[in-house]
Amino acid sequence: DADVTQTPRNRITKTGKRIMLECSQTKGHDRMYWYRQDPGLGLRLIYYSFDVKDINKGEISDGYSVSRQAQAKFSLSLESAIPNQTALYFCATSIDGATDTQYFGPGTRLTVL
Amino acid sequence: DQQVKQNSPSLSVQEGRISILNCDYTNSMFDYFLWYKKYPAEGPTFLISISSIKDKNEDGRFTVFLNKSAKHLSLHIVPSQPGDSAVYFCAARAQGAQKLVFGQGTRLTINP
Repeated sequence: DADVTQTPRNRITKTGKRIMLECSQTKGHDRMYWYRQDPGLGLRLIYYSFDVKDINKGEISDGYSVSRQAQAKFSLSLESAIPNQTALYFCATSIDGATDTQYFGPGTRLTVL
Repeated sequence: DQQVKQNSPSLSVQEGRISILNCDYTNSMFDYFLWYKKYPAEGPTFLISISSIKDKNEDGRFTVFLNKSAKHLSLHIVPSQPGDSAVYFCAARAQGAQKLVFGQGTRLTINP
């Protein structure tokens, strides 16, 4: 079984709709992250959380919000989706910041029409 | 402002030969570097890392070299195998920071 799971794996939605992407992990890690991948831009950090009560903005947080419901769950929301949020979204976890090896989920491909 | 740059979007190498993937960075506060490998329809997976106190780290067929004065690191794969065909991301972490900065990725294709 996968240690980091993401749902849905694929989603097509329309401009203005609210979308939630969910991430669950069984690794027992405190730290969780949301990234988006765009061609030519690599992985960019949207939000990260070091425990249930800790939420931090990444480099591209505008237009997104997150919720850390439990140690194992970290959700990303697009309150009003727009076409330039079409991308591949990855959730990741890590055990600490000393080495910062991050473990990624399989990704969610989101298309906003 | 791209602090970590992978200037080659793609690289094609013959099976059995050496693959060299390059990465440049601008932030002198980066002290830890990682390489991740990504197959289609999967998330990136950790491959190898290096601390700034070292200039080389080796793990089987994979070796990472760090040249701090040039702010450059490279990943060598010897010998290259078809299963190495993937997108490779380099990433860096600044001293005291709690998050990674990723490069744009290089798509490596190993030809039989």
